Formats: sequence, structure tokens, C-alpha cells
Amino acid sequence: EPEVTQTPSHQVTQMGQEVILRCVPISNHLYFYWYRQILGQKVEFLVSFYNNEISEKSEIFDDQFSVERPDGSNFTLKIRSTKLEDSAMYFCASSVSGNQPQHFGDGTRLSIL
Amino acid sequence: AQSVTQLGSHVSVSEGALVLLRCNYSSSVPPYLFWYVQYPNQGLQLLLKYTSAATLVKGINGFEAEFKKSETSFHLTKPSAHMSDAAEYFCAVSENRDDKIIFGKGTRLHILP
Repeated sequence: EPEVTQTPSHQVTQMGQEVILRCVPISNHLYFYWYRQILGQKVEFLVSFYNNEISEKSEIFDDQFSVERPDGSNFTLKIRSTKLEDSAMYFCASSVSGNQPQHFGDGTRLSIL
Repeated sequence: AQSVTQLGSHVSVSEGALVLLRCNYSSSVPPYLFWYVQYPNQGLQLLLKYTSAATLVKGINGFEAEFKKSETSFHLTKPSAHMSDAAEYFCAVSENRDDKIIFGKGTRLHILP
């Protein structure tokens, strides 16, 4: 069964540095999402992306965050200047318009030092 | 605004006993409802979904959930717990198939031998 793949599985970054989290959605999916899960807390929506533009973003998704689909396969989340509170598990998800729900990747654990 | 409330952050059941994880939702429109499972150090896996078809939804691994509009509930059940069911379970709601998903805080299921 096709899967959403995320790399790296664990990213350690110094505070203030830029980080890019990468996702390869399922190939025929058209809708893309990022969520995050701070340790011990619930999964929170960050942003949705369709037709090469952001469809919706949450309050968490401030100017430090950006998303991009640089080619036909990758979907990236960039955090420009990381803060300690950005430490979390980041999940990518994708879905195809229709009856299919969102499929999630295994996540990238981001640790900010 | 949509929201999900999961009663009990931790639930313990004996192996072979009934599993019941409670979820209540709030939505201004007929909702799409989901249960996701997260095994340790893994991503979110869809257990089952309700999309306004049958009110009793059967999912993977013997789980099922019943949509009760009058109670705004979508409780997850399994007749007989197995050790491999130990995981974190998230109830979630969405207003559209392709919309953001709002997750509950999760319930960690412990299986006692």
C-alpha cells in the first residue's frame, strides 16, 4: 500500500537555525497537510496546501513557517528561525479528493537545542 | 467551531475484556469522524471513519465505532482486547473530507495481562 514518507526521522537543530522537514506524499494525492504534536499533547493542525497554494493555516503557522512543493513529489515545511517551543513531532499527511481520508507519515521528531 | 473531547487520558483493560474509548464531538455541520491509532514511535494510522453512511462503522483490527447524533458521540469499541492493542487512540473530526482534522487529546490504552 502506498505510504507517505517523511525525512529525516529525527532532526536536531540549534535554536535560531533554519530547518526543512521533507515529505513525499502518496503520488496521486492532491491535498497536503502538516500537523505537529508537542510531547504529551494532542496533534495540532498547521497548514493545508492544494493547487500550489495554502488553503488554510492555523494560528501556529506564523511568518516563521512556510511550505513548498518544489517538484512533483516533495512537500516541505520550513521553519526559518527555530525556537525551543518548536520542538515537536511533525506529521505530514496527504489525501485525494473524494472518499479517501488523510494518510499520515511516521513523522519527524524535531529537537531544538 | 469543531472540537473533540475524549474522556479519560488513560484507560486500562484486561486482555480479553471489552475495550470502550469515549469520544464526544462538537460540529456546526454534519461531521466526518475518525479514529486514529498511534503505536509507540510511529505515525498515525487510520482505524476507521464515519462519513454519513452507516452509523456503525467497522474498522481494522476488530475495532468499531457507532455514530450517535443525539448524543454527539462516536465511541470506539472492541469486544476482546489483545496485548497488541496497547497504543494511543485519537478521535478526530472534520467538516469536509479534505478539510483540516481536529484531534482530541488522545487516550492511552493499556492492556493488562
